[in-house]
Amino acid sequence: QVQLQESGPGLVKPSQTLSLTCTVSGGSISTSSYFYSWIRQPAGRGLEWIGRIYTSGSTSYNPSLESRVTISVDTSKNQFYLKLSSVTAADTAVYFCARVVHRSFDIWGQGTLVTVSS
Amino acid sequence: QSVLTQPPSVSGAPGQRVTISCTGSSSNIGAGYDVNWYQQLPGTAPKLLIYLNNNRPSGVPDRFSGSKSATSASLAISGLQAEDEGDYYCQSYDITLSGLYVFGTGTKVTVL
Repeated sequence: QVQLQESGPGLVKPSQTLSLTCTVSGGSISTSSYFYSWIRQPAGRGLEWIGRIYTSGSTSYNPSLESRVTISVDTSKNQFYLKLSSVTAADTAVYFCARVVHRSFDIWGQGTLVTVSS
Repeated sequence: QSVLTQPPSVSGAPGQRVTISCTGSSSNIGAGYDVNWYQQLPGTAPKLLIYLNNNRPSGVPDRFSGSKSATSASLAISGLQAEDEGDYYCQSYDITLSGLYVFGTGTKVTVL
């Protein structure tokens, strides 16, 4: 059974870069033909799609974040990554990684809270 | 800046049927893209409830059903149970600058 797990610092200073890792277990990320995404949710608010990556490394981003986002993958480690630069308090949120199937998110990580504060 | 609109809240007594609407536009649902629904219980990650408009993943009770028409979609919960209380989000695909994947504004379901 495939599972996803986010990890990374829970506190990031304003103007710095937020970096998160999503580890895929229970299956090889490189032998499956899936997109993988990052999604975030500010406290008490709705879901916002950040971007996606295919196992080949091809990416697409939310236009509202595209100038600050980089998503990458390391198939040898069964991991994919999120980098969000020049963060502000508005980037404080729970960040989820998820697998994409049929343009839906069928498997989600448990989420990790990232707080932007000095 | 969600592009799919849902009612902020719906409520019902145990055993009742409630429906949640999801209104989009010609760049997402109206363009023929499928609608998916997620259930988010307090303090947990969203869980896929309905995919491709009206399909349930394995393990999702048949009390949950989805439908789609024109530029909108609906999620129905029949035989409402206490454990259904939580937030529900619709999601689709969008061809404009809104981003590839778009979510609804979310609906809080309260079991009275």
